[in-house]
Amino acid sequence: EVQLVESGGGLVQPGGSLRLSCAASGFTLSSYWMHWVRQAPGKGLVWVSRINSDGSSITYADFVKGRFTISRDNAYNTLYLQMNTLRADDTAVYYCARDSSGWSFQPWGQGTLVTVSS
Amino acid sequence: QSALTQPASVSGSPGQSITISCTGTSSDVGGYNYVSWYQQHPGKAPKLIIYEVSNRPSGVSNRFSGSKSGNTASLTISGLQAEDEADYYCSSYRVNTLYVFGTGTKVTVL
Repeated sequence: EVQLVESGGGLVQPGGSLRLSCAASGFTLSSYWMHWVRQAPGKGLVWVSRINSDGSSITYADFVKGRFTISRDNAYNTLYLQMNTLRADDTAVYYCARDSSGWSFQPWGQGTLVTVSS
Repeated sequence: QSALTQPASVSGSPGQSITISCTGTSSDVGGYNYVSWYQQHPGKAPKLIIYEVSNRPSGVSNRFSGSKSGNTASLTISGLQAEDEADYYCSSYRVNTLYVFGTGTKVTVL
């Protein structure tokens, strides 16, 4: 079964850092581009970042450029999101998702909640 | 980076058909056939139900269908069922930004 499982979320103070992980199983991670998408409480989905299959091409949404870093370790079937200089408006559930046909996302992980608060 | 525009809520009775719109511009919805739709039940992860405007992934009910006209894409749910009650989001490729989601629509089954 294809599965993505995020971890690493939690409560962090403004200005702090957190690293999210996304463990992939049931498929070969190295064959796929991967994404991070976030959803603030009660709000809609927002795309955060994308990384190609070997990590050589990375793109970020403007609002995280310079603060977040996406990476992957295909040997360990794991995707990462390093988040620095966190702000209150970064509070959200963060989902990892596999790239799919026609600029779509499928499947998605269950999400991990990041709360930025003092 | 504005989101695509969806109605906040749509409702219908069991067995009826409903349609959710997703309005963008020629830089996203209108310019490319890269519109996808996602279903999200409360507390759950989104699930892809339509990609490339009108294609259904394997395993998705044929009660879900997608279309596009100009800058507006649409998702139609026919034979509405209680299990269809969820939030629905459209998404599209957008020039420069790459990915943009819609504002989301809450579907209520009366």
